[in-house]
Amino acid sequence: RKEVEQDPGPFNVPEGATVAFNCTYSNSASQSFFWYRQDCRKEPKLLMSVYSSGNEDGRFTAQLNRASQYISLLIRDSKLSDSATYLCVVNPLPSSNTGKLIFGQGTTLQVKP
Amino acid sequence: NAGVTQTPKFQVLKTGQSMTLQCAQDMNHNSMYWYRQDPGMGLRLIYYSASEGTTDKGEVPNGYNVSRLNKREFSLRLESAAPSQTSVYFCASSERQSSYNEQFFGPGTRLTVL
Repeated sequence: RKEVEQDPGPFNVPEGATVAFNCTYSNSASQSFFWYRQDCRKEPKLLMSVYSSGNEDGRFTAQLNRASQYISLLIRDSKLSDSATYLCVVNPLPSSNTGKLIFGQGTTLQVKP
Repeated sequence: NAGVTQTPKFQVLKTGQSMTLQCAQDMNHNSMYWYRQDPGMGLRLIYYSASEGTTDKGEVPNGYNVSRLNKREFSLRLESAAPSQTSVYFCASSERQSSYNEQFFGPGTRLTVL
């Protein structure tokens, strides 16, 4: 089993739609979680961190479910510019300062006019 | 600030050739990382450097060596390239070696080994 698993998609949605991605992780002791965005043939960039209580940044909402070991990302009112690959990222080591991250393979979103 | 820079952007090697990928950051970050990204797989950590003067193996270190030349620069060397090392290589840095710190990535080096 992969440490971080995502549905690769692609998810094809019309502009204005709401879309949600899930990601599961295998290490129950994992402490920190992130969503990164990667545009085609570009480097990954941090979209948002995921906090235990859930957090929102504009049209984006991230949630963490420790009991079921999954993280979700909800995008409301999708824009064409949201088309990208979304990477689920986990630090698998508890209370660790290694800075080492485990990346999922990514979920591709294509927003169509 | 340029952030994280990588050279070269593209490279084609023949099996058995060697090369060094260069990475530099101007954000005064302590920690630096080298990843590879292959189709259908997430980024995988090759080596990392928690601070100047230290390096440690990541998930897939075989066939690679690294040097943390100074606080700014972290290079990745392929001594004898193999087709399995065809990949996109990303360098990243973070302020300190902490799981909560954002990692900033360079634009990547696209390497093909024939």
